[in-house]
Amino acid sequence: AQSVTQLGSHVSVSEGALVLLRCNYSSSVPPYLFWYVQYPNQGLQLLLKYTTGATLVKGINGFEAEFKKSETSFHLTKPSAHMSDAAEYFCAVTVPWGGATNKLIFGTGTLLAVQP
Amino acid sequence: DTGVSQNPRHKITKRGQNVTFRCDPISEHNRLYWYRQTLGQGPEFLTYFQNEAQLEKSRLLSDRFSAERPKGSFSTLEIQRTEQGDSAMYLCASSRGQQNTEAFFGQGTRLTVV
Repeated sequence: AQSVTQLGSHVSVSEGALVLLRCNYSSSVPPYLFWYVQYPNQGLQLLLKYTTGATLVKGINGFEAEFKKSETSFHLTKPSAHMSDAAEYFCAVTVPWGGATNKLIFGTGTLLAVQP
Repeated sequence: DTGVSQNPRHKITKRGQNVTFRCDPISEHNRLYWYRQTLGQGPEFLTYFQNEAQLEKSRLLSDRFSAERPKGSFSTLEIQRTEQGDSAMYLCASSRGQQNTEAFFGQGTRLTVV
């Protein structure tokens, strides 16, 4: 079975500061990993995903994440926070092998606040 | 591509009533998922369709819940005899039937049971 742990339910940064949102996963087989963003009363929008290949993946809005198998981590970073980045961020895992459903297993989310 | 559409966006119902939500996926997507999200939590998988076939149901989907996807197009999620614990955001997502593809989410239906 797969699972995701997001450390820190709330993270606050100053505008222009580094954003670091942590995600650790558990999977017995090679996973696909995702970061989604959710604005209030909205659905989820994909920021970036790791499937195979390059372990550093770049996404929209200047976000990137690095897949580290040895640490079972997939932390999300952005060099300089913008006020518009304030939202809730979810890390998710799926296992796309063997005719699987590709259902997503989500973490509990991290609410990012950006202070002016 | 008009995205995944969910209706209604908000639903308030009295305990014990039945409710039905609709999801219209992106037209060429043959995979459709329902998730439930409660306050302060990540979305939890409820059920999955490949075309019209319901291939997986979570244990979260009690016998009061039923989902259909007639003809492999839109899907409906019905909750019978609603309880206050059913209050949540119900999210629908769709994707193409291949590996390495993104799931696109609708804006969700927020259900409040009073």
